[in-house]
Amino acid sequence: RKEVEQDPGPFNVPEGATVAFNCTYSNSASQSFFWYRQDCRKEPKLLMSVYSSGNEDGRFTAQLNRASQYISLLIRDSKLSDSATYLCVVTTTSYDKVIFGPGTSLSVIP
Amino acid sequence: GAVVSQHPSRVICKSGTSVKIECRSLDFQATTMFWYRQFPKQSLMLMATSNEGSKATYEQGVEKDKFLINHASLTLSTLTVTSAHPEDSSFYICSIRDRDGEKLFFGSGTQLSVL
Repeated sequence: RKEVEQDPGPFNVPEGATVAFNCTYSNSASQSFFWYRQDCRKEPKLLMSVYSSGNEDGRFTAQLNRASQYISLLIRDSKLSDSATYLCVVTTTSYDKVIFGPGTSLSVIP
Repeated sequence: GAVVSQHPSRVICKSGTSVKIECRSLDFQATTMFWYRQFPKQSLMLMATSNEGSKATYEQGVEKDKFLINHASLTLSTLTVTSAHPEDSSFYICSIRDRDGEKLFFGSGTQLSVL
């Protein structure tokens, strides 16, 4: 089993749609959780950190369920510019190991 | 502004040549830098952790004699792909952690194509 798994995608959604991505991790000792966004042939860029209490940044909402070892990202009112690959990232305690999920591809269609 | 600078952004070379990729920390001194490799439609895979003033730590399955890492200063790490072959063609990215040690900042990546 992979340490971090994500929806395989790709997700093709119309502009304005709401889309949700899921991520699961296998190491119960994982410390910190993030969503990164990566455009084709570009470096990943931090989208948001994920906290147990849930956090929101504009149209983006992230949730963490430690008991189920599950992370989610919700994008509301999708824009064409949201088209990218979204990477779920998990770090171990003391941040000594960073594990990237395989990514989920999103295409927002006009 | 950019936190990490990586050069070159793209390299096309003949099989058997060596290619050097530079990664610079622009905002702060980084005692540790990370090198990743990403094949098409796959996620980032950590190759090695570069430690300033000491030997790099390589992940299982990564040949240290093939991928030479030098971290000679607190702001510069280099990755040299020696005797490159077509199977080494990939997207190579370096990264550093922020001062809190939590978030990662990435270089812009180097697309290596070996003919």
